[in-house]
Amino acid sequence: QVQLQQSGPGLLKPSQTLSLTCAISGDSVSTNIGAWNWIRQSPSKGLEWLGRTYYRSRWRFDYAVSMRGRMSINSDTSKNQFSLQVNSVTPEDTAIYYCARNYVDRGLDHWGQGTLVTVSS
Amino acid sequence: QSVLTQPPSVSAAPGQKVIISCSGSSSTIGNNHVSWYQHLPGTAPKLLIYDSNKRPSGIPDRFSGSKSGTSATLDITGLQTGDEADYYCGTWDSSVLAGVFGGGTKLTVL
Repeated sequence: QVQLQQSGPGLLKPSQTLSLTCAISGDSVSTNIGAWNWIRQSPSKGLEWLGRTYYRSRWRFDYAVSMRGRMSINSDTSKNQFSLQVNSVTPEDTAIYYCARNYVDRGLDHWGQGTLVTVSS
Repeated sequence: QSVLTQPPSVSAAPGQKVIISCSGSSSTIGNNHVSWYQHLPGTAPKLLIYDSNKRPSGIPDRFSGSKSGTSATLDITGLQTGDEADYYCGTWDSSVLAGVFGGGTKLTVL
């Protein structure tokens, strides 16, 4: 059974770096038939896809247009986890952040529990 | 403004049927798989439909999906009060190489 467990700080000040980790059990971060995603939901807004990483002979990354240059995703095969970093956060980055697995082309079938990140001075 | 367009809200009585639409383009729905998610406050979104019309195990057949051209729909029959939630469509945007979601539709079961 696949489970995703998120961890990371929930309160940041503007200009700091947001860092979240998603630990995987029941699957491998280096699977060649899945992808590992980050999604967020800002207050009173809808879901926003942020980016993903996956392994196909080498590590590959895709990022939302709005996040390119400010965001990175990394994988750690020794700990079977992947992480999100967002630089220079502002209050507009306040949201619930989720990690999720995309298995083949079968949608985002497993999700982390969500982490509320608040950016406030 | 979302790349995929959904109605902000729909409503119907218990036992009735609703249809939630999701409109995109040739670079999104037109050439990629569509998924649908149910999102209840305080919980993680739940996958209802993938590949436009397939249900993961455990999802009742009251939920069904379809796709035609650059649009997709989610049908929910036999509405229950527990179906009250936000529903999102999602797919890939081949023009910018990024995932996209619709703006979400709030379902009210009257």
